[in-house]
Amino acid sequence: SAVISQKPSRDICQRGTSLTIQCQVDSQVTMMFWYRQQPGQSLTLIATANQGSEATYESGFVIDKFPISRPNLTFSTLTVSNMSPEDSSIYLCSVGRAGGYYGYTFGSGTRLTVV
Amino acid sequence: GQQVMQIPQYQHVQEGEDFTTYCNSSTTLSNIQWYKQRPGGHPVFLIQLVKSGEVKKQKRLTFQFGEAKKNSSLHITATQTTDVGTYFCAGPPAGNKLTFGGGTRVLVKP
Repeated sequence: SAVISQKPSRDICQRGTSLTIQCQVDSQVTMMFWYRQQPGQSLTLIATANQGSEATYESGFVIDKFPISRPNLTFSTLTVSNMSPEDSSIYLCSVGRAGGYYGYTFGSGTRLTVV
Repeated sequence: GQQVMQIPQYQHVQEGEDFTTYCNSSTTLSNIQWYKQRPGGHPVFLIQLVKSGEVKKQKRLTFQFGEAKKNSSLHITATQTTDVGTYFCAGPPAGNKLTFGGGTRVLVKP
């Protein structure tokens, strides 16, 4: 399975600022996703990062707040913009093969605290 | 839309005992996957079930997919402290997007 390097592992940010999270994969992958996991909760899909085109966002998430880039098949970034304390959460990237078979691999996560 | 429900939300287990966690979907799933997330960690893929009625075992873990492909279960025998964590089921209703259940948080009493 793919190996994902996700950075930063954690950060404490001031409200109103932005944070960019990076995910680097050791192989080319078709599908890459960004999730949010609030403390003690399940994972919520933010968007699907599409290579060479705009990301596809899930209901409740918008591009202005969570801009995503995916310049190639091994790299993606998620920016959390104009942060508020409600954005405090763990953000995870995930990759998988077409069809989702053989499971999805997750990055180690970015623990974000907004103060 | 797709919903995947898991019960129980919490499971306190005495070390050495067995327990089962259940996953139910509102729609038929092409496949169902199970993940384990240790405290402070990230989800790690355990297994995928594809066929109706499929049963797979991984050591002390037994996974089952329902005949109608709308429910699944994870049974752990002789629970150990290493089993602590949250177990999530996840199903793609269509396409490639995972929909996670709420998870079962397992605590083991030594």
